[in-house]
Amino acid sequence: DGGITQSPKYLFRKEGQNVTLSCEQNLNHDAMYWYRQDPGQGLRLIYYSQIVNDFQKGDIAEGYSVSREKKESFPLTVTSAQKNPTAFYLCASSSAIRAYEQYFGPGTRLTVT
Amino acid sequence: AQTVTQSQPEMSVQEAETVTLSCTYDTSESNYYLFWYKQPPSRQMILVIRQEAYKQQNATENRFSVNFQKAAKSFSLKISDSQLGDTAMYFCALPYSGNTPLVFGKGTRLSVIA
Repeated sequence: DGGITQSPKYLFRKEGQNVTLSCEQNLNHDAMYWYRQDPGQGLRLIYYSQIVNDFQKGDIAEGYSVSREKKESFPLTVTSAQKNPTAFYLCASSSAIRAYEQYFGPGTRLTVT
Repeated sequence: AQTVTQSQPEMSVQEAETVTLSCTYDTSESNYYLFWYKQPPSRQMILVIRQEAYKQQNATENRFSVNFQKAAKSFSLKISDSQLGDTAMYFCALPYSGNTPLVFGKGTRLSVIA
């Protein structure tokens, strides 16, 4: 079955540690996205990539980093510079010509204490 | 810059009744898409319905329909014959510009009551 996988579903880290969230898709989509969801805030864009080896910052990129070495994978690293990392993180993908039609993964809940 | 406003943080509806969720937006684009996404308690985002701005006819998907008022920049979602499975967060969204990521509203939490 084609789709987007995010692992793990729940992630716990100590403050000051970097942590990497995984996102993989087998939909042959060119574009991939990371959103952050907080209660009452909706979804906010962190980073997106429209092609391998290229990515752009979204509205809330500070404290995060990404890489896009393979078409299928778009990992997100939450660094210790991110002031409030506890949140629900959603990965999405879309084809290049229909970027507005985004398919979402199941999400990762990150808790930093 | 594109903005999306959902003015109803929470709503409730009786099973089998009809409910309308509101969304207003601002964009400088002349042609664009608008979306409603549903996020049930599982937190999986599901596309409910899509509207193309250049089409005057309102989109319909089974029990879900929209009232698209382009001049007023309004895009409401009507759910008919509400079912318990419709209980979810509903997000209105549109692209930043052209073929780019989505801007989301803050969502409306809908509860369907038996």
